[in-house]
Amino acid sequence: SQTIHQWPATLVQPVGSPLSLECTVEGTSNPNLYWYRQAAGRGLQLLFYSVGIGQISSEVPQNLSASRPQDRQFILSSKKLLLSDSGFYLCASKAAYNEQFFGPGTRLTVL
Amino acid sequence: AQTVTQSQPEMSVQEAETVTLSCTYDTSESNYYLFWYKQPPSRQMILVIRQEAYKQQNATENRFSVNFQKAAKSFSLKISDSQLGDTAMYFCAFIPSYGSSNTGKLIFGQGTTLQVKP
Repeated sequence: SQTIHQWPATLVQPVGSPLSLECTVEGTSNPNLYWYRQAAGRGLQLLFYSVGIGQISSEVPQNLSASRPQDRQFILSSKKLLLSDSGFYLCASKAAYNEQFFGPGTRLTVL
Repeated sequence: AQTVTQSQPEMSVQEAETVTLSCTYDTSESNYYLFWYKQPPSRQMILVIRQEAYKQQNATENRFSVNFQKAAKSFSLKISDSQLGDTAMYFCAFIPSYGSSNTGKLIFGQGTTLQVKP
């Protein structure tokens, strides 16, 4: 079965600082990977997805970017964080039967 | 456009009682999958149950069962013998079996927050 690691678990960053969130997947190869953002008590917003190394599709125009340097590594980045970037970030991997398996998430607070 | 709607933002139930969460969806596809996910206070997303549209039999996982009405495009989740650990946000999700399945993008509802009271 799959295991998804997300690093870091919690992050507090000042406005204008850079960001790098990492997601790594174990137990599968060549997975479709996804980045979601969730505001407190709200639904999931799909930010990016990737069907393979170097292949990134953006769902929402914003100051975030994503990269997939390795088969099982997915990175979410920003050059300059905004207050509105605060939230809970979830990484997910496509599993059998088209479901998605989720990582534990990263809580980002931008001050 | 394909959409998923959860019309109940918040619900509560007494421990040991039964509760039903509603979900409706809109699609022109005939083959698809439907899911219910649970997000407890830890915020870890957990798959609760899966239903394949071509299967007429409603899916069941222990105390969790669904009422899948394909013609009505309805997919409700029933939780029997509610437990305090069932307190969570519940999301309904949809994906066509073909086309979008290449990307695997799920379409999520807005979520229903369920509080189980002792």
